[in-house]
Amino acid sequence: DAGVIQSPRHEVTEMGQEVTLRCKPISGHNSLFWYRQTMMRGLELLIYFNNNVPIDDSGMPEDRFSAKMPNASFSTLKIQPSEPRDSAVYFCASSYGSPGDTQYFGPGTRLTVL
Amino acid sequence: AQSVTQLGSHVSVSEGALVLLRCNYSSSVPPYLFWYVQYPNQGLQLLLKYTTGATLVKGINGFEAEFKKSETSFHLTKPSAHMSDAAEYFCAVSNAGNNRKLIWGLGTSLAVNP
Repeated sequence: DAGVIQSPRHEVTEMGQEVTLRCKPISGHNSLFWYRQTMMRGLELLIYFNNNVPIDDSGMPEDRFSAKMPNASFSTLKIQPSEPRDSAVYFCASSYGSPGDTQYFGPGTRLTVL
Repeated sequence: AQSVTQLGSHVSVSEGALVLLRCNYSSSVPPYLFWYVQYPNQGLQLLLKYTTGATLVKGINGFEAEFKKSETSFHLTKPSAHMSDAAEYFCAVSNAGNNRKLIWGLGTSLAVNP
């Protein structure tokens, strides 16, 4: 299996622009997680889906952030409008969805907002 | 509510020395416990996990951890450090409930000196 695939790997954009991050989970996995990692705040869970349904979005910072999972093999995280404080590495992870299951992480998208 | 505390944000050891990374958790229900490793510019990957059964868990790359309920601890050890062990290590906790979220520690950066 190719593992969790994220695109783009790097994104540089200007403040105010829309940013869309993409994730393809491992085939057969039922849960998908979006994380943000920064030096200041560490690893933060933004939102997670189970069977394509958002279960917990309490970590989404504000209305500028939105996430969708239209099918079992694709998810997006959108930031509109982007701000410099959104600069971070964004990870997508997937798992089979049972308690105790391992989460498999993608390589991440490094976002820089100028 | 569950929480994780990793004692020491930075740990430095000499090559060949014992590695000990500390993790304490708080949970009102039996926990599932995880250690993940993150190498520079990569996503996180599972080192080992405890769900049920034997409290001494062996993982990849010679690491192991012991679940001690009385001490609410899940410390990570390796008898002899290798230069390639230099990375960020994260402890996480979840439980057998319906919520698939992992509660993460802030991470410990391990440096290995020649």
